[in-house]
Amino acid sequence: GAGVSQSPSNKVTEKGKDVELRCDPISGHTALYWYRQRLGQGLEFLIYFQGNSAPDKSGLPSDRFSAERTGESVSTLTIQRTQQEDSAVYLCASSYLGIGNSPLHFGNGTRLTVT
Amino acid sequence: GENVEQHPSTLSVQEGDSAVIKCTYSDSASNYFPWYKQELGKGPQLIIDIRSNVGEKKDQRIAVTLNKTAKHFSLHITETQPEDSAVYFCAAQGIQGAQKLVFGQGTRLTINP
Repeated sequence: GAGVSQSPSNKVTEKGKDVELRCDPISGHTALYWYRQRLGQGLEFLIYFQGNSAPDKSGLPSDRFSAERTGESVSTLTIQRTQQEDSAVYLCASSYLGIGNSPLHFGNGTRLTVT
Repeated sequence: GENVEQHPSTLSVQEGDSAVIKCTYSDSASNYFPWYKQELGKGPQLIIDIRSNVGEKKDQRIAVTLNKTAKHFSLHITETQPEDSAVYFCAAQGIQGAQKLVFGQGTRLTINP
């Protein structure tokens, strides 16, 4: 595709429910990243994929958060038993060669609201 | 770990004037410093970046300067235009090869016509 695609663009869920967020990176980009952006704040790193493996998942806030990537393409971020503090915009980015070697291209994010 | 501080949090300038946004970082091993522009409802977009072996880089109306000794870097936008209004984020990469960017808190830039 032309850019990084994320779905859904908006998600409202009740506290305690599980949610799944999807990211379609730019074709051919082997590096994929998830970030979280709380209202009016900067981006927090969550996890990095190189191909299908995740060498760095140090930013995942708790064991309620998990992510996977299949076929060096689509990635899903799953949040179990959502809490109100999980409300944020979740941004996905991809890069051809990784940070420092080629640009990061961000999607428009999924705005998650936990009620 | 790396910590990035960004100032100011909001900046308002007259169209045609210059805007400067400043960031400091904590990890002296950081070697890559990108700047992103984020418009409402969209993801951040890379506008310029600089590496630690360079002191300044320009791209038309945008320039970035880096002072490794003081561990700070700045974004300069000249001849500002209304379409420059957005939130700008600085970021720093950690040690070489680290696949993680640490972002500043953002600066909301408003260009007044």
